[in-house]
Amino acid sequence: EDQVTQSPEALRLQEGESSSLNCSYTVSGLRGLFWYRQDPGKGPEFLFTLYSAGEEKEKERLKATLTKKESFLHITAPKPEDSATYLCAVRGRGNGNNRLAFGKGNQVVVIP
Amino acid sequence: GAGVSQSPRYKVAKRGQDVALRCDPISGHVSLFWYQQALGQGPEFLTYFQNEAQLDKSGLPSDRFFAERPEGSVSTLKIQRTQQEDSAVYLCASSLGTGGGNEQFFGPGTRLTVL
Repeated sequence: EDQVTQSPEALRLQEGESSSLNCSYTVSGLRGLFWYRQDPGKGPEFLFTLYSAGEEKEKERLKATLTKKESFLHITAPKPEDSATYLCAVRGRGNGNNRLAFGKGNQVVVIP
Repeated sequence: GAGVSQSPRYKVAKRGQDVALRCDPISGHVSLFWYQQALGQGPEFLTYFQNEAQLDKSGLPSDRFFAERPEGSVSTLKIQRTQQEDSAVYLCASSLGTGGGNEQFFGPGTRLTVL
């Protein structure tokens, strides 16, 4: 069974204080690792897909990286509008139906 | 529309009532998924459709849960004889194709509260 563990569960940052979120996973044949952002009362918003170890993707202040066992979401010089819950999910070969297995999320609060 | 839409956004039901939750996926998207998200948790898979075919319903928690997508577009998730443990946000997602890398785009969810 595909599993995802995210840490820390909650993180408070001062504006401009860079940090990283961790997503550890076990999966039978990775077909994709996904990062989403979720704001309160809203559905998850797609950020990145990573497919293989060594791959990196960036969007504004966010950068996602991938190894064979974990992914990091780096937040550089965060702003208050970066406050959200960040969800990590994997899709494995064991699930022939493309379902995603999610972690519990990293709740990030950026203080002005 | 530009994104996935769901209705109603909020639903309050008395225990034992039946409810129906609707999902309008992005036009042309082949794959449709339903997830359940409890407070403070990540989404949990419920069921998957490829066009009108329900290919996986292994995540449905009991036989009180039923989903359909009869014409391969709009989908309905029905919960019969609701229980308090059914209280959660129900998320619908769609993706363009069926390949492993296809991103899933989520709707805003329906928050179900069972009293």
